Amino acid sequence: QVQLQESGPGLVEPSQTLSLTCAVSGDSLTTGDYYWTWIRRPPGKGLEWIGYIYYPGSAYYNPSLQSRVAISVDASKNQLSLRLISVTAADTAQYYCAAAPSPGDHFAHWGQGTPVIVSS
Amino acid sequence: SYELTQPQSLSLSPGQTAGITCSGDELADLPVYWYQWKPGQSPLLIIYQGNNRPSGIPERFSGSTSGDTATLTINGIQSMDEAEYHCQAWASGTAVFGGGTKVTVL
Repeated sequence: QVQLQESGPGLVEPSQTLSLTCAVSGDSLTTGDYYWTWIRRPPGKGLEWIGYIYYPGSAYYNPSLQSRVAISVDASKNQLSLRLISVTAADTAQYYCAAAPSPGDHFAHWGQGTPVIVSS
Repeated sequence: SYELTQPQSLSLSPGQTAGITCSGDELADLPVYWYQWKPGQSPLLIIYQGNNRPSGIPERFSGSTSGDTATLTINGIQSMDEAEYHCQAWASGTAVFGGGTKVTVL
């Protein structure tokens, strides 16, 4: 059973860089079983897909975030990472990692999410 | 960018039939997924590719698509069905979600 657990700083100052990690258990990020994904939900709004990575390194991002986001894999730790630069209050959200068997498919596994507040 | 629109909320009594809509441009041409999301839990897939139910999902849940609208129907709704329901599709290589519909069973 694939399990995902996000972690992050909780609070980030405006214009700074947000870094989150997602620890994966029950599968290896390097086997190619899933497209490893980040999704977020701002307060009072719906889910927003951030992007995915397919090991060994093909990543695809939401065009609305493409200039500020990077998703990567640390194979040695079996961790997924998200980096979002130049954050603003609009980036305040609950952030989730998830896994889809392929693009066009559903998200079969989800983490519990980690909150991020952008504030000074 | 592609958008999916859902009603914000729906209130029903036990035993009634719920119809939750999800609207998007030519949505019937896209594979649509529906998730049930309860507080403290991860989203649960209840309908895939428009009208298919994963194993273990009760038969009272069904899905359909036509034109610009996908509909999740819950027949004989029960108190345990109280949750948020989210539709999802892929458009131009990007996953898109609706805003979610909070279903209350009174």
